Amino acid sequence: EAGVTQFPSHSVIEKGQTVTLRCDPISGHDNLYWYRRVMGKEIKFLLHFVKESKQDESGMPNNRFLAERTGGTYSTLKVQPAELEDSGVYFCASSPGYSYNSPLHFGNGTRLTVT
Amino acid sequence: AQKVTQAQTEISVVEKEDVTLDCVYETRDTTYYLFWYKQPPSGELVFLIRRNSFDEQNEISGRYSWNFQKSTSSFNFTITASQVVDSAVYFCALSARGGSGNTGKLIFGQGTTLQVKP
Repeated sequence: EAGVTQFPSHSVIEKGQTVTLRCDPISGHDNLYWYRRVMGKEIKFLLHFVKESKQDESGMPNNRFLAERTGGTYSTLKVQPAELEDSGVYFCASSPGYSYNSPLHFGNGTRLTVT
Repeated sequence: AQKVTQAQTEISVVEKEDVTLDCVYETRDTTYYLFWYKQPPSGELVFLIRRNSFDEQNEISGRYSWNFQKSTSSFNFTITASQVVDSAVYFCALSARGGSGNTGKLIFGQGTTLQVKP
């Protein structure tokens, strides 16, 4: 069984540019989560999809972040325009159920550096 | 408010030493779940264990053991006879099953970087 796949693994962009991160969850997992870890700090929740619907986007920092999950398969997270404080590692996770019932399966993360 | 605190930022031990990683949590929910994840140098977060709030039995899995104490709101993780391959960042996390709309998002601690030297 293939794990959660994230692309790219690393992205370096300039302030003001746009970046799109992609996550392919484990096949059959309806729940897809995005998290972010800013340097040295805790991993913070961004949002949660169930299939193509956003269940909880309370962690999205601001309207420069846009997440989509068309067709309930892969998901994208777009940052436009990127700011310096957006730098960090973005993790995607998937599970067949909610996280308190089903452990999340995480990807390797995308390391975003905004210069 | 829900919060997870991992007070140890970095720990360095010599191989074969035992090491305990501390985790203290805060939640008002009576039903909640606690997790430990390992992040090796390769980057992915690897699930290690999940405990629910009604099960305070300690658990042992090989060299790993977990001590859950509701009285002190702690869920500590001990590695016995540490090995170099144990070097990683370890995260403790909480998922509380609160009211409607709570989809069980994980609240993570800041992580503890464990370095095991040969």
